[in-house]
Amino acid sequence: EAGVVQSPRYKIIEKKQPVAFWCNPISGHNTLYWYLQNLGQGPELLIRYENEEAVDDSQLPKDRFSAERLKGVDSTLKIQPAELGDSAVYLCASSFSGSEQYFGPGTRLTVT
Amino acid sequence: AQTVTQSQPEMSVQEAETVTLSCTYDTSESDYYLFWYKQPPSRQMILVIRQEAYKQQNATENRFSVNFQKAAKSFSLKISDSQLGDAAMYFCASTGANSKLTFGKGITLSVRP
Repeated sequence: EAGVVQSPRYKIIEKKQPVAFWCNPISGHNTLYWYLQNLGQGPELLIRYENEEAVDDSQLPKDRFSAERLKGVDSTLKIQPAELGDSAVYLCASSFSGSEQYFGPGTRLTVT
Repeated sequence: AQTVTQSQPEMSVQEAETVTLSCTYDTSESDYYLFWYKQPPSRQMILVIRQEAYKQQNATENRFSVNFQKAAKSFSLKISDSQLGDAAMYFCASTGANSKLTFGKGITLSVRP
């Protein structure tokens, strides 16, 4: 069984540029999560989807971050415009109805 | 709200020995779950073990076991017969009814050959 797939694995952009991350959850998992992980820290939740509905986006900086999960499967997280402080690892995870979460390999973003 | 505290930033263990990683938590929920995740340098967060708060019996997965002290809000991970592949960052995490995972800051475990 395939795990959570994320792309790209690495991304380097200049500040003020837009960037997008893609996540494909484990087949059958209706809950999808996006986390931000700064160096040497634990992941912090950005947004949680139940199917196509964002049920918890309280930690998402909505002035520059947006996310979507059309059709309740794949998800895209976008930053526009990126700032130097956005450099981090962005993790996607999925679960079945809030059970244990399975994580993807993450995307390491570097903003220069 | 939930908080998870891992006060040890790093630990080292000799190969084949046993090591215990500490974690304390705080929650206002009566029904919650506790987890230990492993994150090697490849960044893939891997679930090591899970404990339901309503269960008194400590969870065990092969060489990994937990010491769950509910009253003390303590949840430590014991790794027996440590192997070189156990070297990684380990995160303690908790989740409540909303399934939001709250992570500690993690501990870096090194294994000496």
